[in-house]
Amino acid sequence: DTEVTQTPKHLVMGMTNKKSLKCEQHMGHRAMYWYKQKAKKPPELMFVYSYEKLSINESVPSRFSPECPNSSLLNLHLHALQPEDSALYLCASSQDLWDRVHMEGNSPLHFGNGTRLTVT
Amino acid sequence: AQSVTQLDSHVSVSEGTPVLLRCNYSSSYSPSLFWYVQHPNKGLQLLLKYTSAATLVKGINGFEAEFKKSETSFHLTKPSAHMSDAAEYFCASYTGRRALTFGSGTRLQVQP
Repeated sequence: DTEVTQTPKHLVMGMTNKKSLKCEQHMGHRAMYWYKQKAKKPPELMFVYSYEKLSINESVPSRFSPECPNSSLLNLHLHALQPEDSALYLCASSQDLWDRVHMEGNSPLHFGNGTRLTVT
Repeated sequence: AQSVTQLDSHVSVSEGTPVLLRCNYSSSYSPSLFWYVQHPNKGLQLLLKYTSAATLVKGINGFEAEFKKSETSFHLTKPSAHMSDAAEYFCASYTGRRALTFGSGTRLQVQP
């Protein structure tokens, strides 16, 4: 079982809907991430939060809106999505950002099982 | 900045035979390298991570990886494949952007 919990596991939404993906971890990690994974492709980074502040936004369209209400929770709010946004959305956490840890191999990411999103 | 290249998109082995999944890295400084496995409709599970303490890294489920600086490689091996090893495997490294970047992945198929 993963220590990073994502809900829901599956989500089908229309292009006019508003929905949210949720992620929770209780490992005391201070960095949290959203990745997007299309079929047969590697995960692609979307957002990074460090100490509840947005650290990296990989030029993600504004129809994706992240939120980090506290150190254990990470949300991804979805609005007016397109069919090409259908993908597996993965949440991950790590002890801290890699360059704060200062030791190679010391900040592995722990992933949830993802939310399978289908936009119709 | 670092990046990783997985040399094979697909590897097929017979059950009980050795597994070799290849990963090369490019880096101008000491790398942070990882191997992850992803089973269908699941998240990524950490197999092992490289630290400078040892060039041969042991991971879970009998997997190992050897860091070879002279070859800039971090290949993943297992002496004897099991049917349950069939999955997608990703080599990963940290880039200068402070976040993990993945190779393109290798799909491991295990034949009975």
